[in-house]
Amino acid sequence: GESVGLHLPTLSVQEGDNSIINCAYSNSASDYFIWYKQESGKGPQFIIDIRSNMDKRQGQRVTVLLNKTVKHLSLQIAATQPGDSAVYFCAEKSATNKLIFGTGTLLAVQP
Amino acid sequence: GAVVSQHPSRVICKSGTSVKIECRSLDFQATTMFWYRQFPKQSLMLMATSNEGSKATYEQGVEKDKFLINHASLTLSTLTVTSAHPEDSSFYICSARDPAAVAYNEQFFGPGTRLTVL
Repeated sequence: GESVGLHLPTLSVQEGDNSIINCAYSNSASDYFIWYKQESGKGPQFIIDIRSNMDKRQGQRVTVLLNKTVKHLSLQIAATQPGDSAVYFCAEKSATNKLIFGTGTLLAVQP
Repeated sequence: GAVVSQHPSRVICKSGTSVKIECRSLDFQATTMFWYRQFPKQSLMLMATSNEGSKATYEQGVEKDKFLINHASLTLSTLTVTSAHPEDSSFYICSARDPAAVAYNEQFFGPGTRLTVL
C-alpha cells in the first residue's frame, strides 16, 4: 500500500556530524528507490538513487543503503552542514512507474 | 539537467473561484506529467497522471471534475482547481517524465505552487 504521512519525524544533528535518515518502504516488488531533499516552499530535489540489485551506493557526501530483506532504506550524510537542513523523502517506484513517497524526515542541523 | 517550471508560484483566491496552475518542461518533451498535492508537514501524494493527448488518470479518492487536468502539448500540463474551497489550500507540485533520460531517474519535479483559498 501507499505510505501516508501524518507527522514529520525530526532528526537533530550537530554541524559536522554524520546523519542517518531511515525509511521503510511498502512493496517488496519495488526495484528502484530515490532519496529527495525538499527545502521549505520548494519542490523535491533528487539526491541519490539505488536499484534493487544493489545494497549500497555512494555519492558525494551521501550514501544510500538498501536492505531488501526488511524493506528498509537509509540515507547517510557525512559531515552534515547547515545547508543540509531540509525534509528528506524516500520514494519507491511502483510497477506502473509511479513514485510512492515515504513520510519524510526533517533534518535540523545545529551550528 | 531537465528543468520543470510551474506558474504561478503562489496564488490566493476566494472560495468558489477556479484556479489554473501550469507545469512546463523547459528543455525536453514530456509525454507524461504527474500532479502531486502536499499538505503541511506531510508527504507528497500523487493526484493524477497526465498523458499528452489523452485523458488523465486519477488516483483513488481524487475528484476528476474538481481537479481538471489538460496535457495539450508535450511541454505543458495544466491543473485547474474548480470551485476552490479552503480545504483545497495546499502545495501543488508537478513532475515530468523525460523519455530520453538515460538514467533510471526520469522524473523531474517543478518548484511547486502554493494555493491559498480564503
